[in-house]
Amino acid sequence: DQQVKQNSPSLSVQEGRISILNCDYTNSMFDYFLWYKKYPAEGPTFLISISSIKDKNEDGRFTVFLNKSAKHLSLHIVPSQPGDSAVYFCAASARTGNQFYFGTGTSLTVIP
Amino acid sequence: DSGVTQTPKHLITATGQRVTLRCSPRSGDLSVYWYQQSLDQGLQFLIQYYNGEERAKGNILERFSAQQFPDLHSELNLSSLELGDSALYFCASSSIMHSGYGNEQFFGPGTRLTVL
Repeated sequence: DQQVKQNSPSLSVQEGRISILNCDYTNSMFDYFLWYKKYPAEGPTFLISISSIKDKNEDGRFTVFLNKSAKHLSLHIVPSQPGDSAVYFCAASARTGNQFYFGTGTSLTVIP
Repeated sequence: DSGVTQTPKHLITATGQRVTLRCSPRSGDLSVYWYQQSLDQGLQFLIQYYNGEERAKGNILERFSAQQFPDLHSELNLSSLELGDSALYFCASSSIMHSGYGNEQFFGPGTRLTVL
């Protein structure tokens, strides 16, 4: 049962444009969400997080938006750079739970 | 460099065999997590240890076991291996016990296990 879903396996964007990566979840108890970035042959690296008490969190070029009613979050990267090319995973957890649930990842390619 | 180390990087073995994967967490982190990533799958949580004690269990098979030692390094033991156990196994660490707000896990580079 995939509680966190990333329905787009891949995304290509021109350098300088906006990249939007999407993530949906099914468990209404989730209250903490994270995005990780993964380069080949490396482990995932934490990128940005958001608590359910917020609907937006920004860190430099990266902004995460949370729509609790739609059970949807998105990661915006502006402007996109070739070094952003990687696989992006979203993850979610519940304060009352005991684990993180990860999506299957979206492979982002930023074209120079 | 996340500060989390995993050995070995690659492991090739045969069905029915047993292997041990090792993880050293970041300095000061008490929580260690193990994840499995099979082809085209997300990271599946296996198990968490906190300061030597098992804290949480996910979809870990009975053939798999783990432990965390007094020096906080952890080992994941996989036995009676099957072809379907071929995957990337990641270890992550954090300073926090719970899975909620503030728990930003740091991942090792992974061990790629191939079962032939």
